[in-house]
Amino acid sequence: QQPVQSPQAVILREGEDAVINCSSSKALYSVHWYRQKHGEAPVFLMILLKGGEQKGHEKISASFNEKKQQSSLYLTASQLSYSGTYFCGTEGYSGAGSYQLTFGKGTKLSVIP
Amino acid sequence: GAVVSQHPSRVICKSGTSVKIECRSLDFQATTMFWYRQFPKQSLMLMATSNEGSKATYEQGVEKDKFLINHASLTLSTLTVTSAHPEDSSFYICSARGGEDQPQHFGDGTRLSIL
Repeated sequence: QQPVQSPQAVILREGEDAVINCSSSKALYSVHWYRQKHGEAPVFLMILLKGGEQKGHEKISASFNEKKQQSSLYLTASQLSYSGTYFCGTEGYSGAGSYQLTFGKGTKLSVIP
Repeated sequence: GAVVSQHPSRVICKSGTSVKIECRSLDFQATTMFWYRQFPKQSLMLMATSNEGSKATYEQGVEKDKFLINHASLTLSTLTVTSAHPEDSSFYICSARGGEDQPQHFGDGTRLSIL
């Protein structure tokens, strides 16, 4: 089942912060975050594994709450280059070993000067 | 970092033509590769999972005879859109994953336009 992302879209001014949420109705083994710019392929940001964890990548970090089946992506002090559509991809326990991801509908982030 | 190469990046051809798209993992071996289709402003829709040395696993609603997948080696998977029609026009993206607990790395995508 497709994970639910929120918000669908957000507009930020440079330097502002944003949080993008991803929730699933099924138990999750891992959550993957990607950013896609218009006309380009998705670019990997980070992966969070079972056991619940947080990760940081420059000013972009994420958390994974395994019990709540939720993940959040945090963007701090946003830059113009952060603009794009953010997708979470979830991996469940069913079909283990298939490595398949199910992607949310995406969150369109626009950073303006 | 892991690099996945997809070729060609853009194809424009007449209706009825078959189109072959290649996906290569350049610096890692991928026993599993994935093929997605993406319509404008929409999410990535998984079409099939390509397994090296065995038949691909297709998602519900995806025609096997229409979208032929071959995974000939640990670094190469191909998608052939047979007898393409205008409704097959889309952005096709492949990805490869090196193993458990590893991310999927995407190719640059192929924009297919059928006239």
